[in-house]
Amino acid sequence: GAVVSQHPSWVICKSGTSVKIECRSLDFQATTMFWYRQFPKQSLMLMATSNEGSKATYEQGVEKDKFLINHASLTLSTLTVTSAHPEDSSFYICSARDRPRSGNTIYFGEGSWLTVV
Amino acid sequence: DAKTTQPPSMDCAEGRAANLPCNHSTISGNEYVYWYRQIHSQGPQYIIHGLKNNETNEMASLIITEDRKSSTLILPHATLRDTAVYYCIVRVITSNTGKLIFGQGTTLQVKP
Repeated sequence: GAVVSQHPSWVICKSGTSVKIECRSLDFQATTMFWYRQFPKQSLMLMATSNEGSKATYEQGVEKDKFLINHASLTLSTLTVTSAHPEDSSFYICSARDRPRSGNTIYFGEGSWLTVV
Repeated sequence: DAKTTQPPSMDCAEGRAANLPCNHSTISGNEYVYWYRQIHSQGPQYIIHGLKNNETNEMASLIITEDRKSSTLILPHATLRDTAVYYCIVRVITSNTGKLIFGQGTTLQVKP
């Protein structure tokens, strides 16, 4: 299957600072990427849909000014958690849609653990 | 997108077939059935998907009932490494959306 890579795999930041997580599609072009967050023992919650060259579409209840998403190229999307607080500590996962090759199948990155202290 | 219903947990003996059911009684004609799994602390892994015909790949088989209201994912020879949370998702494939909405999934425990 297609490869989606996230960086960093884990990050610890101080409360009030911002942290950026990168999501790259390594062997395909992704016109659409998706960002999820997952708390322990819970399912994945979709945060936003990121389309290359346009503004992201956020799910209801997700603060767009706090979770900044940029999808500047067909292989890279970034999620910036601004003014992070301990309650933002979570597992963040991106995914990308491999449209041309595999019938719109969506592939996921390895995830990024964020701990805000 | 239609919702799905899965049992919260299942056990399977190593080497035996694991049959994971999923109900999607409100599925629409243009919605596909997708299966993903998530091993602890990793991103979900794509397994298989189908529209109305049964599908098979190197990982699993997907059996979809004729009325498309339910499906079964079959892992033919489960191993300990197949222990994971399995998600059944129905999804419309369009040119601009096609997002995946996850339910609670089935936690499959493969036992020696």
